[in-house]
Amino acid sequence: KQEVTQIPAALSVPEGENLVLNCSFTDSAIYNLQWFRQDPGKGLTSLLLIQSSQREQTSGRLNASLDKSSGRSTLYIAASQPGDSATYLCAVGNSGYALNFGKGTSLLVTP
Amino acid sequence: NAGVTQTPKFQVLKTGQSMTLQCAQDMNHNSMYWYRQDPGMGLRLIYYSASEGTTDKGEVPNGYNVSRLNKREFSLRLESAAPSQTSVYFCASSPSGGRSIDTQYFGPGTRLTVL
Repeated sequence: KQEVTQIPAALSVPEGENLVLNCSFTDSAIYNLQWFRQDPGKGLTSLLLIQSSQREQTSGRLNASLDKSSGRSTLYIAASQPGDSATYLCAVGNSGYALNFGKGTSLLVTP
Repeated sequence: NAGVTQTPKFQVLKTGQSMTLQCAQDMNHNSMYWYRQDPGMGLRLIYYSASEGTTDKGEVPNGYNVSRLNKREFSLRLESAAPSQTSVYFCASSPSGGRSIDTQYFGPGTRLTVL
């Protein structure tokens, strides 16, 4: 069974800092990897989807990388803002229909 | 477009009661999913429907049943609620009828408490 681990579990940074969230997975035979954002009491919003053949995806201040061979992905957030405060979830798509989710990193960006 | 909608948003049940969680999507997606999210755990798949007319079990199906009423709607039923089913339930949909190759779009969730 695919195991997805996210480190750190929680992170607090001052506004303006660049930061990196980490995701590791145990089975490298993946279709894709997705990063989601979840605000308190809300649903999940897809941020970036990286197909297995890709190395990275970028959207605005967000950049996600994928290294299948080492079972790792990183989400880089540039120039963090208080509005970036949320929980960030990494999810891996394998040969089944389900996404395998990590437990998330709770991010707090302080003004 | 509303995307994925879920009703109700909140529900409190007593042990043994039954209820149905409703989910609808207006994106003409083929696949739909039900997940539960518990504190300290990742989201776990309960059931999914790869296409209209088909349903299949996920990781934690015990105590639940589903119905893919049509392409838009996918409901989750608790026949006899138990305190262990206290959770936040998310419905999701994705465009393809194939395996997990697409991004999934999530609803806002239903917060269920079973006393």
